Amino acid sequence: EVVLTQSPATLSLSPGERATLSCRASQSVRRFLAWYQQKPGQAPRLLIYDASNRATGIPARFSGSGSGTDFTLTISSLEPEDFAVYYCQQRSDWPLTFGEGTKVEIK
Amino acid sequence: QVQLQESGPGLVKSSQTLSLTCTVSGGSISTGGYYWTWIRQHPGRGLEWIGYVYDSGATYYNPSLESRVIMSIDTSKNQFYLKLTSVTAADTAVYYCAKDEDAFDLWGQGTLVTVSS
Repeated sequence: EVVLTQSPATLSLSPGERATLSCRASQSVRRFLAWYQQKPGQAPRLLIYDASNRATGIPARFSGSGSGTDFTLTISSLEPEDFAVYYCQQRSDWPLTFGEGTKVEIK
Repeated sequence: QVQLQESGPGLVKSSQTLSLTCTVSGGSISTGGYYWTWIRQHPGRGLEWIGYVYDSGATYYNPSLESRVIMSIDTSKNQFYLKLTSVTAADTAVYYCAKDEDAFDLWGQGTLVTVSS
């Protein structure tokens, strides 16, 4: 099973700042990595698929990069609605797995 | 616009079978060759992929749950289903259904299932 390790567990930032979230895979997942945002009481929302493709309707301030085992989600300038938990997920190997999440909180 | 909605009992007794339905509206479940998925989230924790059912009826399960999971699909009703047998308190979670097209691009709102003793 591919283990995805996200860091940091919590990121404390102010609106307008840049957020950089990391996801590291225990083995290569090529570019088959997605990122999701989850707010309390809501289902996750797809942000990025295949490492760097923004999903429909996702603002340009969200970007993804990486391949193999190291991936990054960048939020260029945090808006108030971006404070949430972010998960990475791989679809390179069975079973599909998620990371444990990074919480982006208001500083 | 395609939407997903989970339904089923919110309380299941230990050792019994959890049964959930996901209803797809706004589009046909058999269009597009998508993987119809169940995912769960234990309270305050991360996400766990349970498995897929394809519109042909083919299934793929997480090995950690494979011995207790049955997924099926009814294209005439635009629904797919999850059964999880021999539940314990460890199966208490929010259960989501989702559509997989390169990633989980559409989710239901989720339904909390509590396993009681």
